[in-house]
Amino acid sequence: NAGVTQTPKFQVLKTGQSMTLQCAQDMNHEYMSWYRQDPGMGLRLIHYSVGAGITDQGEVPNGYNVSRSTTEDFPLRLLSAAPSQTSVYFCASSYRLPNTGELFFGEGSRLTVL
Amino acid sequence: KQEVTQIPAALSVPEGENLVLNCSFTDSAIYNLQWFRQDPGKGLTSLLLIQSSQREQTSGRLNASLDKSSGRSTLYIAASQPGDSATYLCAVVGNTNAGKSTFGDGTTLTVKP
Repeated sequence: NAGVTQTPKFQVLKTGQSMTLQCAQDMNHEYMSWYRQDPGMGLRLIHYSVGAGITDQGEVPNGYNVSRSTTEDFPLRLLSAAPSQTSVYFCASSYRLPNTGELFFGEGSRLTVL
Repeated sequence: KQEVTQIPAALSVPEGENLVLNCSFTDSAIYNLQWFRQDPGKGLTSLLLIQSSQREQTSGRLNASLDKSSGRSTLYIAASQPGDSATYLCAVVGNTNAGKSTFGDGTTLTVKP
């Protein structure tokens, strides 16, 4: 099983550029989410989705946009990259409650904004 | 707002020692709690998942306990090995349909040979 797949693994952007981080899962999970992890810190929730067509903001949503047109895919868009968005981004998925809610993670996308 | 705290931030122990990592949370209305391992530059690997109705889960040398009333979970590692060196993160899922997870900042464990 592929599980949760993120692309690209590494990306360097210039300030002001836009890009999309891709996330796909093949486990038929309803719930998908994006986190960012900064050095020495835990994960902070950016956006999440409880199903196709439904998205909501997490703790740090500014500067990011998401959509969920299918169950499998949940792309994260950086509208105008800023150095403060330099981070490692993780996508996760799980079955929606009241199922177990166990989170499965991708391997991460390391983004540097110059 | 749920807040998750992990103390200590870093821990160094000699090989073979039994150790306990702590995770505390402020809102006891949780659905589950999950422990992860993260190696440097890598993603998160799930270690143990405890549902709110459970008191503990075990996997090999790992045992995780949950006390919702006091807002605490512990991860017990028996007979630690250098290969256990990593950052350990706990995450709680709130008791809502959204199922959002809140993470602690992690404990970085070093096991010295």
